[in-house]
This record gives sequence, C-alpha cells and structure tokens, in this order.
Amino acid sequence: DAKTTQPPSMDCAEGRAANLPCNHSTISGNEYVYWYRQIHSQGPQYIIHGLKNNETNEMASLIITEDRKSSTLILPHATLRDTAVYYCIVRVTDRGSTLGRLYFGRGTQLTVWP
Amino acid sequence: GAGVSQTPSNKVTEKGKYVELRCDPISGHTALYWYRQSLGQGPEFLIYFQGTGAADDSGLPNDRFFAVRPEGSVSTLKIQRTERGDSAVYLCASSSQGGGSPLHFGNGTRLTVT
Repeated sequence: DAKTTQPPSMDCAEGRAANLPCNHSTISGNEYVYWYRQIHSQGPQYIIHGLKNNETNEMASLIITEDRKSSTLILPHATLRDTAVYYCIVRVTDRGSTLGRLYFGRGTQLTVWP
Repeated sequence: GAGVSQTPSNKVTEKGKYVELRCDPISGHTALYWYRQSLGQGPEFLIYFQGTGAADDSGLPNDRFFAVRPEGSVSTLKIQRTERGDSAVYLCASSSQGGGSPLHFGNGTRLTVT
C-alpha cells in the first residue's frame, strides 16, 4: 500500500487558512489522494479527493504537486468546528478498480483556537 | 438522505462470548467496508464487499472474525470467542460504484470486552 506521512499536530487561529501537508512519495499513477476528517466519537467524514488536478469544493481545496508526491489540504477560513483529526489517504485499487480499501495512518490533529 | 447506520452504538460483552454488529449502508451503494479503530489510532481495514461477495478480507485478524452480506445490502460482522483485545470502535462505510467514489462512514459500534 502506498503510505502517507503527515505531521502529528498543527494549530490555526480561527478565521485564518489552515494548510495541512501530506507526503505520498510512493503513490502510483492511478491512485487517488483522499482527505477525511474525524471529530471525536464520530465516523470519518469525507472532505475531498483528487488524482492529478487541484480540486475545490464547499469544504476545502486540495493542491497536488505536479509530481504527485505530496499534497496540501486547505481550509480557507478555519472555524472552531474544524478541530479534528485529518487523514490523508492514498486509495489502493482492486484489479484496476477504484473500489479498493483506504489505508488510514494516524493523521494530523488540527486544533483551531479562538 | 439517510447515512450509514450501525447498531448497536455500544456493546459490552464478556470475554469468550459471541457478538454480532450490524451495518445498514446507504441505499444503492454496492460496496461496503468494515474497519476497526483503537484509541489513538487511525481506522484499520478489515474487509470489503462488492455486492454479496467479499472482495478483500485480508484485514480480518484471525478466523474468529467473519462478515456476511447475504443480499448485497445489510452486513453483519461476527466475532466469536471475544477477547479483551477485540475492544475497539467498529466502523462501517459504503460507497457507490464508479471511479473515485468516496466512502461514507457510520458512527461506529463501540465494543467493550470485559
């Protein structure tokens, strides 16, 4: 499985942008990068995913480097409710399908302070 | 719409007993996944189903663990002769078919083996 490396913790002031880095230097050409977050006592929540191009949705932006060896999740205006563990995941494929499992590491604990 | 539902939300059992954990996926989702999460760790993959069949069961720790999905919808994770080390949160997720479809997680069943 392609593994990811994330800092164990980060903090951010409320209202500022939170930039969460992730290294995935062994990623294969057909593997997607996914980001999830998990708030205490809840299941992981899907945020965003991408293959090669940068992506944006209502929650966040995902910036993937041209060589695809790293990516950054950007929360443009962090709020207290964004405090959570953020997981960067490379999706294992199953015989070429993208239905394969996700491998979670330990993620980054993001703390947003007032 | 309704998300992934897991029952019970909490289960306490004695060492050596048998337990069943249930997962109701999002309607129409063909893929279903089981993970477990210990305190302070990221979710750990157990098994995933494509329809009724187990497409990848490589994460099941031993033969005390078994999962079924007889009609391609609801799934049951079964644990025989429970041990204290089985205590964890068991998470279920589902996804629709198609490239890059994200997994949607339930809030898990917290299993405590005394």
